Amino acid sequence: DAKTTQPPSMDCAEGRAANLPCNHSTISGNEYVYWYRQIHSQGPQYIIHGLKNNETNEMASLIITEDRKSSTLILPHATLRDTAVYYCIVRGTNFGNEKLTFGTGTRLTIIP
Amino acid sequence: EPEVTQTPSHQVTQMGQEVILRCVPISNHLYFYWYRQILGQKVEFLVSFYNNEISEKSEIFDDQFSVERPDGSNFTLKIRSTKLEDSAMYFCASSRDNQPQHFGDGTRLSIL
Repeated sequence: DAKTTQPPSMDCAEGRAANLPCNHSTISGNEYVYWYRQIHSQGPQYIIHGLKNNETNEMASLIITEDRKSSTLILPHATLRDTAVYYCIVRGTNFGNEKLTFGTGTRLTIIP
Repeated sequence: EPEVTQTPSHQVTQMGQEVILRCVPISNHLYFYWYRQILGQKVEFLVSFYNNEISEKSEIFDDQFSVERPDGSNFTLKIRSTKLEDSAMYFCASSRDNQPQHFGDGTRLSIL
C-alpha cells in the first residue's frame, strides 16, 4: 500500500502557484519523496524528488518539512497543461530495483 | 530528450489469445519495469528486470505473464492466454541506477 496521503482533488487558477500537500508520517530516514504526474491516460511523468533538503528544478519545487513527515509540491505558475493527477510516492534508496507504489494521488484542475 | 517508447498504442485481442507488448527503454538504462492501470484504478507494479532476470514481481504477475529482453534494445511483456480482466493500460518504465524511473505512454490492451 502507498505510504502517503494526499487530498483527492484541488483547483488552482491559471497563473497562480499550485501547492500540493502530501503526508508521509511513517517515512524512514533513508526513504526519498518522489513526485510524478499523469496527464489524462498518458504514462506517469517524473517531476522531482528529495530526501530532506528542499529541491527545485525547471518544473517544480519540493518543500520537505524538517521532521520529513510531510511535503509540498509547488508549481510556481500553473498553466492549463498542468491539469493532471499528481502522485506523491515514498521510495527507498535501492533505486535500481525498487518499484514505485502509486496511491490515488491528487487530481489538480487548473481553472482559466 | 530521450524517451521510453511503447508499441502498439492500442491492442485488441480475443480472450485466450497470446499478446506481446513491446517497449524500447532509454538506451543507457539498466533497469526495466512493467506497470498496469485498469481503467479508473491505480497504477500497479507488475515486474522489475535487471541483468537479464526478474528482480521482483507482484502477485498480479502470475504464470500467464513473462518478460524478455530479446536483444539490446527491446523489452517485452507477454501474456500467454489473455483474460477479460487483463484489459488495462500497460506502462513500461526504465531507469539508470540511482535515477528516477521514466515511463512510456503505454499500450491500451482491450480483451474481447
